[in-house]
Amino acid sequence: AQTVTQSQPEMSVQEAETVTLSCTYDTSESDYYLFWYKQPPSRQMILVIRQEAYKQQNATENRFSVNFQKAAKSFSLKISDSQLGDAAMYFCASVLFGNEKLTFGTGTRLTIIP
Amino acid sequence: KAGVTQTPRYLIKTRGQQVTLSCSPISGHRSVSWYQQTPGQGLQFLFEYFSETQRNKGNFPGRFSGRQFSNSRSEMNVSTLELGDSALYLCASSLLGEVKTQYFGPGTRLLVL
Repeated sequence: AQTVTQSQPEMSVQEAETVTLSCTYDTSESDYYLFWYKQPPSRQMILVIRQEAYKQQNATENRFSVNFQKAAKSFSLKISDSQLGDAAMYFCASVLFGNEKLTFGTGTRLTIIP
Repeated sequence: KAGVTQTPRYLIKTRGQQVTLSCSPISGHRSVSWYQQTPGQGLQFLFEYFSETQRNKGNFPGRFSGRQFSNSRSEMNVSTLELGDSALYLCASSLLGEVKTQYFGPGTRLLVL
């Protein structure tokens, strides 16, 4: 069974600063994918970034990047130049290759301070 | 391309009733998954359908069921509603490929009184 743990229920960051959200996971499988989703107050779940476990290079999407440490089973999200629109719940999730069942963490609520 | 759509967006039911929620995936996506989101249990996987067949099922009672049609649209049904079924129900679709990214709809918020 897979588990995903987000140990920071809440985080806050000053606008334009950088913040890192933590995520650890546990799986006995070798082929899997990791995701960060954002859920703003509208409750729409929006994909932020994804990482294939077999790729050593960390994924980046504009201001969003990850630090993927496979041996440590760690998958943190870094948001650079934080903007007010980044305020949301952020969920870390994993899925096994050949499967569609996403396993989510409990989320981190990110507040942006103007 | 239009995103995943879910109807209705909001629903109020009473205990013992049944409810049907609908999900239309992104055009070309054939896999549809359903999730339940509650404050207490977080996001939990309900089931996944592909080509009208249920391929995966989460740990939910038999009152929760679903189906998928030939056009990939999916419905989920909850019978004999309980207060604890109040939740946001999210549908996601994916295009089978190397990276199985699921794209979510806006959700249906169900309140059971």
